[in-house]
Amino acid sequence: SQKIEQNSEALNIQEGKTATLTCNYTNYSPAYLQWYRQDPGRGPVFLLLIRENEKEKRKERLKVTFDTTLKQSLFHITASQPADSATYLCALRGRGAGTALIFGKGTTLSVSS
Amino acid sequence: SAVISQKPSRDICQRGTSLTIQCQVDSQVTMMFWYRQQPGQSLTLIATANQGSEATYESGFVIDKFPISRPNLTFSTLTVSNMSPEDSSIYLCSVDFGRTTGELFFGEGSRLTVL
Repeated sequence: SQKIEQNSEALNIQEGKTATLTCNYTNYSPAYLQWYRQDPGRGPVFLLLIRENEKEKRKERLKVTFDTTLKQSLFHITASQPADSATYLCALRGRGAGTALIFGKGTTLSVSS
Repeated sequence: SAVISQKPSRDICQRGTSLTIQCQVDSQVTMMFWYRQQPGQSLTLIATANQGSEATYESGFVIDKFPISRPNLTFSTLTVSNMSPEDSSIYLCSVDFGRTTGELFFGEGSRLTVL
């Protein structure tokens, strides 16, 4: 069955450093890989997506890479800030309209000042 | 994006009772989904709410336990029936606007605690 693994449940870094989160998947060939942010008591918020034929995507301080050979995505937050502290979810979507998203468990990032 | 309102935001329920969660979107949407997020777990898709027809359930979820309605393109309900403590979870409504990239927008969730 399809499986998504996010490298660790928790990641602690200092303000100003780059946070790198990993998403690995098996038994799946996603057309899109998406990243969401979830704050405690809130619903997930879409951040960024990358298509299967793209290697890298950037949005402000965020960067996502996608390696379909390794079946892995890396999510980077540069110049991290305490406000970046949240849980980050990786999600995969296949081809075809209405295909549901499959989510990883998430990595909780804590940025200390 | 859109405003997605879920009610109730939280509730404490007794074993054996049922609770209906409402999801209202301020614009018409193509697809609506219901997810469950158990403590420390990922979001798990319960079902796709189809407008005007029966919902499409994922493996492990059945209509008798989680009946879903979607009477129009802006509203859906999820009922958690005959609740047990194992149903304690956050239930999330999400919408897809039909973009090919398929990003979802979520409501704030409904946190249910079953005693």
